[in-house]
Amino acid sequence: DGGITQSPKYLFRKEGQNVTLSCEQNLNHDAMYWYRQDPGQGLRLIYYSQIVNDFQKGDIAEGYSVSREKKESFPLTVTSAQKNPTAFYLCASSIFGAGGNSPLHFGNGTRLTVT
Amino acid sequence: DAKTTQPTSMDCAEGRAANLPCNHSTISGNEYVYWYRQIHSQGPQYIIHGLKNNETNEMASLIITEDRKSSTLILPHATLRDTAVYYCIVRASGTYKYIFGTGTRLKVLA
Repeated sequence: DGGITQSPKYLFRKEGQNVTLSCEQNLNHDAMYWYRQDPGQGLRLIYYSQIVNDFQKGDIAEGYSVSREKKESFPLTVTSAQKNPTAFYLCASSIFGAGGNSPLHFGNGTRLTVT
Repeated sequence: DAKTTQPTSMDCAEGRAANLPCNHSTISGNEYVYWYRQIHSQGPQYIIHGLKNNETNEMASLIITEDRKSSTLILPHATLRDTAVYYCIVRASGTYKYIFGTGTRLKVLA
């Protein structure tokens, strides 16, 4: 089945450590996204990438980094510079082009806890 | 960038239609309206989207006003499994940046 795989589902880290969240898609989508969700809040955009080797900052990019070396993969690194890293992280993808109306497809998220 | 405004929460009786409103008064002419829902601790699920015409699929109907400044998602026969947070979003013009609001928490009551 085609879809987006985020791993692991739960991740625990000590403060001061960098951590990388995995996101893989086999939908052949061009665009990929990372969102962050805090308890009781909506989704906030961290980074997005429209094509391989290109990405743009979202609204809350500080303390995060991404890479897009392959079309199917868009890993997110939460660095020690991120002041409040504990959150639910969601990866998504969409078709690029096609009049720009393609919907987002989401993975099931990674819950990161930093202590 | 267009922003959306939704009520914080709504209740609906099981079997009745759930009508979820959304205001997007600054939407541009080429921006689509999308609806998603999220059940606790899962990724959002796509429901429906539209530009200016009303749309219907197996999950829901989307009614967009003629001036496109607001829309309504209709779940025709709500079930307990429709209890979720529903997000109305628009795509930022000229980019692939989808902006989410805080959504409406729909509770379907038995």
